[in-house]
Amino acid sequence: DAGVTQSPTHLIKTRGQQVTLRCSPKSGHDTVSWYQQALGQGPQFIFQYYEEEERQRGNFPDRFSGHQFPNYSSELNVNALLLGDSALYLCASSLQGNTIYFGEGSWLTVV
Amino acid sequence: DQQVKQNSPSLSVQEGRISILNCDYTNSMFDYFLWYKKYPAEGPTFLISISSIKDKNEDGRFTVFLNKSAKHLSLHIVPSQPGDSAVYFCAASRSGNTGKLIFGQGTTLQVKP
Repeated sequence: DAGVTQSPTHLIKTRGQQVTLRCSPKSGHDTVSWYQQALGQGPQFIFQYYEEEERQRGNFPDRFSGHQFPNYSSELNVNALLLGDSALYLCASSLQGNTIYFGEGSWLTVV
Repeated sequence: DQQVKQNSPSLSVQEGRISILNCDYTNSMFDYFLWYKKYPAEGPTFLISISSIKDKNEDGRFTVFLNKSAKHLSLHIVPSQPGDSAVYFCAASRSGNTGKLIFGQGTTLQVKP
């Protein structure tokens, strides 16, 4: 039973560029959430997708957007990258509000 | 506004002894609390949770205590093992909304052999 899988694991982007991160939820899960974890901090909630719609959003600007596909997989897009966007981006999945499980994350470095 | 706080950045204990990790929260609407463990280069792994209707939940070597009046919870690990060395995150959520977790800053636990 595959857990939550994310790609890519590491990437480097230049300021102003755009990035897309991908996530496949744990088998049987229908809800995907995205978190940003800066160095030395706990994960911060970005948004949550359920039934292909954004259901909740944290305190992140509109440069952060997402999508959920019919197979429940999800993408996180960040436009106009800033140096401060450098972080570990974590995808988490759950089944209708039950305990969430995290992937290993995608390390984004903006230079 | 840090709604969930872990005031100890690090903790060091001897193998076999008890590890106690603490967490405080400010939002009285939180009613479900979780602990996650994170090793380097891995995502957080769910450890144990507790609902606000309980004051204690136990799973093997791990016990979580909740003091609602003090808005405080703690994770006890007995006995501590070197493999427990990791960063521990406390997280809180509102009922039925476990997809949106509010995390503390984490506590790095080192268990010395």
